[in-house]
Amino acid sequence: EADIYQTPRYLVIGTGKKITLECSQTMGHDKMYWYQQDPGMELHLIHYSYGVNSTEKGDLSSESTVSRIRTEHFPLTLESARPSHTSQYLCASSEGGGGETQYFGPGTRLLVL
Amino acid sequence: RKEVEQDPGPFNVPEGATVAFNCTYSNSASQSFFWYRQDCRKEPKLLMSVYSSGNEDGRFTAQLNRASQYISLLIRDSKLSDSATYLCVVNKYGNKLVFGAGTILRVKS
Repeated sequence: EADIYQTPRYLVIGTGKKITLECSQTMGHDKMYWYQQDPGMELHLIHYSYGVNSTEKGDLSSESTVSRIRTEHFPLTLESARPSHTSQYLCASSEGGGGETQYFGPGTRLLVL
Repeated sequence: RKEVEQDPGPFNVPEGATVAFNCTYSNSASQSFFWYRQDCRKEPKLLMSVYSSGNEDGRFTAQLNRASQYISLLIRDSKLSDSATYLCVVNKYGNKLVFGAGTILRVKS
């Protein structure tokens, strides 16, 4: 089992609120990722990090931001939540190099009212 | 055109059946290929990597055809517990992965 954790697992929040989705891994992986997945649809990469102080935007444009101050921690923040942000957010990590397995956390299901 | 295309299914099969899923990818420079499994409302988990020579893991066999940019997954002797969505995954560059939308498998007794 992968040691990657996400909190909260479920979040219902009103429009305009600031939210932070937490992701932590205890495997010492350098590379971490955030994906967004709507029901029945494919995962889309929204952010990734190749190490501390490194963050990049993914293929799907997102209003969220991320930070990587510690290797094990990769939080995602939405400054002002909107109903269009309703989705499942999945965090993943991998060791390094090219093409290794990505291990996923259990996800956060976000509902913005 | 999507970078990774899969037949969405669902594939409804009886226990014990053999079922095959196909996937095509558009980026000829892709070097790494995987099948992930995703249970309903759960996170994806690696099922197996796919190698050029083809590879087998128990009841699961994966094949890669680089010339046709085509990947397959064969499941023999299907079990009820195989019911899930199977995601075809291809690396873009570096560690960035592109996920297909998945093929739904339902195994029935």
